[in-house]
Amino acid sequence: GAGVSQSPRYKVAKRGRDVALRCDSISGHVTLYWYRQTLGQGSEVLTYSQSDAQRDKSGRPSGRFSAERPERSVSTLKIQRTEQGDSAVYLCASSLRDRSSGANVLTFGAGSRLTVL
Amino acid sequence: TQLLEQSPQFLSIQEGENLTVYCNSSSVFSSLQWYRQEPGEGPVLLVTVVTGGEVKKLKRLTFQFGDARKDSSLHITAAQPGDTGLYLCAGRNYGGSQGNLIFGKGTKLSVKP
Repeated sequence: GAGVSQSPRYKVAKRGRDVALRCDSISGHVTLYWYRQTLGQGSEVLTYSQSDAQRDKSGRPSGRFSAERPERSVSTLKIQRTEQGDSAVYLCASSLRDRSSGANVLTFGAGSRLTVL
Repeated sequence: TQLLEQSPQFLSIQEGENLTVYCNSSSVFSSLQWYRQEPGEGPVLLVTVVTGGEVKKLKRLTFQFGDARKDSSLHITAAQPGDTGLYLCAGRNYGGSQGNLIFGKGTKLSVKP
């Protein structure tokens, strides 16, 4: 497809369980980001990876959050030992440098809404 | 820590009114972007501003980047119900990690018919 797609769109997990969220990004986009969006904290970057990496550069918080990139246009965000505070919308975005402005332009998926009980 | 403060947090207006949303920081950004997000969707880029003092227009939306590159504003003329959504500003810091954008918490706009 032409856009970024995320799955599942909705996920309910029991506290303490591990969760995996998938992102299919746009072919040719180099960097892929995971953001967590909540009403109180807004949108904060969790981790991002560049095309040559399964390595991820973690933002905040780290530790329980990691991303794997088995293919260039696929990323999986893994959350270990979920906590109620992890309830949020998780947004995936891939970036491409805009030639006119030189700025990175993010294309976002619709998000995965996680609820931890 | 670089912060982007957006104001107001919530705005409810009638169709046809004008409004301005502000995005402020004590830090300097190499570029600043505005996104609009509708419920159940991801943010969609509206504009990127890179030059201090730059003004960009997108139909009824006018975006301005402050001279010192620390702040930005979004002005909507004659708002319509279709403008309803969450408006996010996002700044890219100089150097640092690969294009990491810092987002404000957003302004939730509701335009009533």
